[in-house]
Amino acid sequence: EVQLLESGGGLVQSGGSLRLSCAASGFTFSNYVMSWVRQAPGKGLEWVSGISASGGSTDYADSVEGRFTISRDNSMNTLYLQMESLRAEDTALYFCARADIVAANFFDYWGQGILVTVSS
Amino acid sequence: EVVLTQSPVTLSLSPGERATLSCRASQSVDGYLAWYQQKPGQAPRLVIYDASYRGNDIPARFSGSGSGTDFTLTISSLEAEDFAIYYCQQRSNWPPMYTFGQGTKLEIK
Repeated sequence: EVQLLESGGGLVQSGGSLRLSCAASGFTFSNYVMSWVRQAPGKGLEWVSGISASGGSTDYADSVEGRFTISRDNSMNTLYLQMESLRAEDTALYFCARADIVAANFFDYWGQGILVTVSS
Repeated sequence: EVVLTQSPVTLSLSPGERATLSCRASQSVDGYLAWYQQKPGQAPRLVIYDASYRGNDIPARFSGSGSGTDFTLTISSLEAEDFAIYYCQQRSNWPPMYTFGQGTKLEIK
């Protein structure tokens, strides 16, 4: 059974840092593109960042470029999101999501999400 | 950057009725469009991928159609468990990113 379990969220002051983790199980993690997607309270879904299966290629939404860093440890089956210079508008539920293995065009499995709250 | 616009914003229907949700892209996404269902307090769930293929364990009453810029998610006969928010999503190669529509809330009338 595919499982994605996020951790590391919490309350942080504006300008602070936080590192999210996503522990993957039930599939060969190193074969899949992975992403972080967030959802601000009462709002829609926003893609944040993605990383290739090997970890050699990363992409970011403009809203987080230069502040967030995505990475992965394929030996530990874990995805990370290092968040720096956090702002109130980064407050959201952060989901870890697996992209489809064929072309990474959509997300076939999602974690339950972890809440990040940035206080101003 | 591709923008996805969903309509209507809210759709009020009764169980047993047919639901038709629309997603329009600002430029062609070929056939690579997905739909997700999200219920309160839950993660999104893949419903349709590549415009017309059902995700794992998705009932046959869900169907997707469309290509290019206009896509539709149809639920043939609504059941109580189908009332949720639905998002469409596409992936672009340049700039490399994923985009979601703003969502359609399907509510019980």
